Amino acid sequence: GQNIDQPTEMTATEGAIVQINCTYQTSGFNGLFWYQQHAGEAPTFLSYNVLDGLEEKGRFSSFLSRSKGYSYLLLKELQMKDSASYLCAVRTYNFNKFYFGSGTKLNVKP
Amino acid sequence: DVKVTQSSRYLVKRTGEKVFLECVQDMDHENMFWYRQDPGLGLRLIYFSYDVKMKEKGDIPEGYSVSREKKERFSLILESASTNQTSMYLCASSLQGPTTGELFFGEGSRLTVL
Repeated sequence: GQNIDQPTEMTATEGAIVQINCTYQTSGFNGLFWYQQHAGEAPTFLSYNVLDGLEEKGRFSSFLSRSKGYSYLLLKELQMKDSASYLCAVRTYNFNKFYFGSGTKLNVKP
Repeated sequence: DVKVTQSSRYLVKRTGEKVFLECVQDMDHENMFWYRQDPGLGLRLIYFSYDVKMKEKGDIPEGYSVSREKKERFSLILESASTNQTSMYLCASSLQGPTTGELFFGEGSRLTVL
């Protein structure tokens, strides 16, 4: 089966940097995805890693180490609108199925 | 932009009723998925489909069935709704092939079973 772990909740200050970690154990790994979900809304795609290393996309970066089964999402220059849940998801080669962690609720305070 | 549309945002049904949740996508995606989202449990895969008339069970298929008669439409059916099926249901679609293949989600259908 698949096992994906991420912290339940984090709090950070506006303007700061926050790192949200995700560890996974999976068979047939075919990519790691991060999604953002505001309360009452659908998840939206943030980033994708399939090879080891860092992918940067504006204020958001995502890192992957396949040998360690580890990823993180880095958010810089935090804004109040970044308050949301962040979902770590692993895609597998088996029909391209996605498996999700429970999500990390990020609270950004002034 | 890809659009995934779910037919109902909010539904209230009674125990034992048959419930249909409809999902339509407009970008010719091969893959379609139904998830349910519950606090503390994250998104759990109920069923998915990688082609018309094809369906595969996810991790929690019990009490659900699906239908995919057309490529753009994927329906989730609760044959006899029960209170433990009260949840947020999310439909998603994705492309096959050498693309990023990220999931695109609908707005969700919040189902309450009384």
